[in-house]
Amino acid sequence: EVQLVESGGDLVQPGGSLRLSCAVSGFTFRSSWMTWVRQAPGKGLEWVANIKQDGSEKYYVDSVKGRFTISRDNAQNSLYLQMNSLRADDTAVYYCATERRLSQWGQGTLVTVSS
Amino acid sequence: QTVVTQEPSLTVSPGGTVTLTCASSTGAVTSDYYPNWFQQKPGQAPRALIYSTSNKHSWTPARFSGSLLGGKAALTLSGVQPEDEAEYYCLLYYGGWVFGGGTKLTVL
Repeated sequence: EVQLVESGGDLVQPGGSLRLSCAVSGFTFRSSWMTWVRQAPGKGLEWVANIKQDGSEKYYVDSVKGRFTISRDNAQNSLYLQMNSLRADDTAVYYCATERRLSQWGQGTLVTVSS
Repeated sequence: QTVVTQEPSLTVSPGGTVTLTCASSTGAVTSDYYPNWFQQKPGQAPRALIYSTSNKHSWTPARFSGSLLGGKAALTLSGVQPEDEAEYYCLLYYGGWVFGGGTKLTVL
C-alpha cells in the first residue's frame, strides 16, 4: 500500500521559514517525479512545485519562485519543501503527491502564516 | 496568467449522466495539455480519477470517463451514484501545471 505522510506544518509569522517533509512508503520513490500541491482554507487546489527523479529538474508556480525550494532524498524516500519569506497568502494545507499525474496523495499538513 | 475554467456547480439526479468541462484561457485544450481529473470530498485529500485525457487509474470506477469535447477537456459520469457528490478539479500542463477552479457536483 502506498503511503505518503506530510509533516512540518505549523503557525509561523510573516517573513518566517518552514520546512515540510513527505515520507513515502510502498512506492518506488526514486523512480517517480514528486509534486507539492496546496489548498488555502475553503479554496481550490494550487499546484506548487515538482521535482524529477534525480532532482535535476525542478519547476515552481510563479507565486513561490525564489521563496520555496523543493528537494528530495531518495535514500530516505523523502520529499521536502523549504519555504522562506512566508506570506499570509501561503496559508494552506500542503499535500505531497506522486508523479506528475498526482496518482497518490498524502493527507496534508497545515501551514498558517499569521502574526 | 493562464486561467483554467470549470463550471462552478452542477446538479445531477441519481442514475443520471453529467459532463464537467475544463477550458483553457490559451485556447483549445488538446492532448498536449495532458488533462487530469481529481475528486475531493469534504475533509479528505483529493483522489486521482483520470490522467492524460482519458486514462483511468486502477481504482477509478467505470462510470467515470475522460475525453476532449468542443475544445475542452471533459469528465463524464454515467449512472451517477450519491457518493459521487464532491468537488471535481481538472489539471492542465503548460510547462508547469495549473488546476481549474473546481466544480461542485450535487447529486439530488
